[in-house]
Amino acid sequence: AQKVTQAQTEISVVEKEDVTLDCVYETRDTTYYLFWYKQPPSGELVFLIRRNSFDEQNEISGRYSWNFQKSTSSFNFTITASQVVDSAVYFCALSAYTSGGSYIPTFGRGTSLIVHP
Amino acid sequence: DGGITQSPKYLFRKEGQNVTLSCEQNLNHDAMYWYRQDPGQGLRLIYYSQIVNDFQKGDIAEGYSVSREKKESFPLTVTSAQKNPTAFYLCASSIDLRILNEQFFGPGTRLTVL
Repeated sequence: AQKVTQAQTEISVVEKEDVTLDCVYETRDTTYYLFWYKQPPSGELVFLIRRNSFDEQNEISGRYSWNFQKSTSSFNFTITASQVVDSAVYFCALSAYTSGGSYIPTFGRGTSLIVHP
Repeated sequence: DGGITQSPKYLFRKEGQNVTLSCEQNLNHDAMYWYRQDPGQGLRLIYYSQIVNDFQKGDIAEGYSVSREKKESFPLTVTSAQKNPTAFYLCASSIDLRILNEQFFGPGTRLTVL
């Protein structure tokens, strides 16, 4: 069985602060993908990043960075110098092989990030 | 522009009525999904489909039905058997269920049952 835990339900910061969103996952598979999605107030989820289980390199994209650590089963997301436009719900997801022969993602419950001006 | 469209954005229905939510994609994706989102619950999978005329139940399929008559279309019917249908419904697609890849989401339909 797969499981994704986002323990932080809501985080509130002031603009320009750095913030880290935690994601811990469980799977018995050795081949899997991890994802982060952003859901702004409009409602549509937007894909941010995917990372496969064999690539533990950290990734940086502008103000966003991701830290993948297999040893702790974590895939954390950091926003540097947060902005009001970063306010959204962020979902972490895991996709691993199911007994039915397909890869069905499992989502965490999401972390609501509120950035105050 | 390629993407997923869902209509309507807001839907109001009386209790006991069936209602169908539309989902269309022009990404040429094989796999399509329906999720339900409630506050604090994350995304829960209702149904998914890999090919035309074939679909599988997700974690919370009771009270819902789907069809996949065309590759581009995956409508969801919320039946009167669904005990608590008021929620935000998201449709998604991906290239293929049999390979690891990300999903693309539609803008969602917010259903309110009065």
